[in-house]
This record gives sequence, structure tokens and C-alpha cells, in this order.
Amino acid sequence: AQSVTQPDIHITVSEGASLELRCNYSYGATPYLFWYVQSPGQGLQLLLKYFSGDTLVQGIKGFEAEFKRSQSSFNLRKPSVHWSDAAEYFCAVGARGSNYKLTFGKGTLLTVNP
Amino acid sequence: DVKVTQSSRYLVKRTGEKVFLECVQDMDHENMFWYRQDPGLGLRLIYFSYDVKMKEKGDIPEGYSVSREKKERFSLILESASTNQTSMYLCASSSLAGVFGAFFGQGTRLTVV
Repeated sequence: AQSVTQPDIHITVSEGASLELRCNYSYGATPYLFWYVQSPGQGLQLLLKYFSGDTLVQGIKGFEAEFKRSQSSFNLRKPSVHWSDAAEYFCAVGARGSNYKLTFGKGTLLTVNP
Repeated sequence: DVKVTQSSRYLVKRTGEKVFLECVQDMDHENMFWYRQDPGLGLRLIYFSYDVKMKEKGDIPEGYSVSREKKERFSLILESASTNQTSMYLCASSSLAGVFGAFFGQGTRLTVV
């Protein structure tokens, strides 16, 4: 069975600083990987996805993520954080052999200081 | 744009009531999912369906059932609501291949009193 670990429960950064959110997954084959963002009281919005090809993927809102097979990681990055990026971020892995159902990490809450 | 619509944003129900949460998607997706979200626990899969009338248990199916009579609609049923089922419930849909990720509704915050 697949699993996802997000080691950081809560991260605080200053506006304009760079950001990296960590994600490690466990899955026996090449996974589908996703990052989602959730603003308070809202559903989840897909930021970006990886399923094959270039290991550096670009998403919406200026986010990118890099798939590193050797480290089983899919970390999310943004070079300069805006106050509107404050939200909770979820990493997810999709299993090709299980109708592609998604397994989520427990999330990282991002606070942005002015 | 894909639209996944959950019938209620907020619900308050009494212990022992039978509760129906409805979800409709407009993208002809084969897969539909119900997740439960609790602070510190992330999203946990309750049930998913990959076709009409087909369903599979997720990680926490106890106390829940589902119905999918039409492709666009997936219902979550709490047979006898309990206070420990107070939570945020999220519905999602995806294409069969899943390569585009899952698209989520806005969520239903259910309170059982």
C-alpha cells in the first residue's frame, strides 16, 4: 500500500522569502504525485502533478516540484512567497494498480508573516 | 472547468439520524471518492467508486455506506450518525486513468449533536 509523509506540520515564512515543503512517499512502482492547496473552509485545489517525463514540474501560482526517485521525495517550492499563499498544503500519491485512488499526507500549514 | 458540487456546505444532525451527503460532478468522470478530513489526520478515504453501482472500501468505511446509481452522482450515507462522525467531508472525482488528479468539491462540514 502507498503512503505519504509530510514531515512539517507547520511552517512560517516571511513574505518574499523562498519556500520548500517536504513530501516523502512510499510506493512500489513509479507513482503519480500531486500537490494540493486548501484555503480555510474550502475544498482542495490541484497545484501540480507528476506522472512521467521531466522530473521538475511547474504548477499554478508560481509553484514547482521536483520528483527525486532516489529519495522518494516530491518537494514543493516557490522562490518568493506571497501573503495569499497562506494555506494548508497536501501531498498525495496515486496508485496505478488501485484505480488511481489518492492517498494523502497529513498536510503542512503555511503561515506567511508580513 | 471541472465542477464537483456537494449539496450542503454545513449540516447539523442529531445522533442516530440517517444522513445523506450528495455529490455531483459534471465531467463524466469514472472515479468518485469520499474523504473525511480531520485536524492533524489529513484526508482519509472512506469509499470510492470506479463505475456505476461499483464501490470499494477505503481506509475508514465503518459506519458509512455509499450509493452510485448514476455516473455523475455519488452519495455518502451515515446509517446512524454518531458524534465521532462530526467532520469535514470532501467529495472528489477523477478520470479513469487518474493522470489529471482528482477534483474536489467545496466540502460539507457535518456536526452531529
